[in-house]
Amino acid sequence: ETGVTQTPRHLVMGMTNKKSLKCEQHLGHNAMYWYKQSAKKPLELMFVYSLEERVENNSVPSRFSPECPNSSHLFLHLHTLQPEDSALYLCASSPILAGGPTDTQYFGPGTRLTVL
Amino acid sequence: GQNIDQPTEMTATEGAIVQINCTYQTSGFNGLFWYQQHAGEAPTFLSYNVLDGLEEKGRFSSFLSRSKGYSYLLLKELQMKDSASYLCAVTDSNYQLIWGAGTKLIIKP
Repeated sequence: ETGVTQTPRHLVMGMTNKKSLKCEQHLGHNAMYWYKQSAKKPLELMFVYSLEERVENNSVPSRFSPECPNSSHLFLHLHTLQPEDSALYLCASSPILAGGPTDTQYFGPGTRLTVL
Repeated sequence: GQNIDQPTEMTATEGAIVQINCTYQTSGFNGLFWYQQHAGEAPTFLSYNVLDGLEEKGRFSSFLSRSKGYSYLLLKELQMKDSASYLCAVTDSNYQLIWGAGTKLIIKP
């Protein structure tokens, strides 16, 4: 069972809409991540937060805006998306941000996003 | 550039054994993970290797050779529920996780 929840599970939006994805972890972890997963492609790391500070921003377009108000919650604000942004968006958390087994990431079920 | 290679798809028979290979070229190495992902679900952690050799965990085993940049995941006594995608990921020298595209494993009765 996962201690990471994501809402909504499915989202359909037009290119002019504004929406937000929510992630919550109940594991007491200090690091949280947003990934994009497209069919037959590797997971793309979008953002990393450690102790509520953003430590990674992998050249993600500004139409994606993350927010981490506390160590348990992570949001991804979406604005003026393109059809190619349609994908599964996964949230993950890990105990700390470091190498080794303590960096094992625990994933939420994802939000399936379709941009029309 | 950094790269993780895995077969796109494999098919195996219920009750049999299957080996899923992963080769990597990364800037540094700080560990290799295997995750399982059923369709429409979250990836779940299976194994972690940082030293050469075999790690066994029930029906699943994971092997690592750092000198060859190579790992495999071995699944024994396959069950229908093992039908899933298997993701290989490597932590590089910056402790960034580099992901493969995953191997879709189809189990047939």
